[in-house]
Amino acid sequence: AQKVTQAQTEISVVEKEDVTLDCVYETRDTTYYLFWYKQPPSGELVFLIRRNSFDEQNEISGRYSWNFQKSTSSFNFTITASQVVDSAVYFCALSEGLSGYALNFGKGTSLLVTP
Amino acid sequence: GAVVSQHPSWVICKSGTSVKIECRSLDFQATTMFWYRQFPKQSLMLMATSNEGSKATYEQGVEKDKFLINHASLTLSTLTVTSAHPEDSSFYICSALTSGALGSSYNEQFFGPGTRLTVL
Repeated sequence: AQKVTQAQTEISVVEKEDVTLDCVYETRDTTYYLFWYKQPPSGELVFLIRRNSFDEQNEISGRYSWNFQKSTSSFNFTITASQVVDSAVYFCALSEGLSGYALNFGKGTSLLVTP
Repeated sequence: GAVVSQHPSWVICKSGTSVKIECRSLDFQATTMFWYRQFPKQSLMLMATSNEGSKATYEQGVEKDKFLINHASLTLSTLTVTSAHPEDSSFYICSALTSGALGSSYNEQFFGPGTRLTVL
């Protein structure tokens, strides 16, 4: 069963628009970790954020922000004032249990930001 | 942060040959490394978990005799694709798990840059 669902396959926005990438996860564990990674065309994964299941505080880092809601099992990612350099595939991932386990990745959302 | 390297970054080989991919943790020791595979425009799928000094644990559907994993030291894991065929063409990414030695109680997972395998 798919544990991480990223319903948006592709999103296209014009530069300076805000965009939200959705992520819904499924787990029975009470302890788990959620991640977002960026994968540019080069293929190398770029770590963006890790959040544990006990910390529902939203986080902001520059133009990036994350909204974690356990009630809806969602961990959405918003890019404010998007830029062309934000164009990439973004993956949401889940690691269940205590740290040290492999990641279950969503199918990814391809974001294209045009000038 | 910690650095994980992969070698080679890309390889093209003929069908039927074997290819070895190395994954190294450059500035930390990793008792556990993971191997993922990513087909074009698809997600990363875990292939196997590699533990130093013991046999790898393979995910369902991954042929252990075809994808040989050796984790002979705390900084090196290798994945050998034996008798490669065009359907094995993919992007292979490894990750190495810290053991909390970097000042954190959380076992961080650091990814290598990936190896693109093309089998002709």
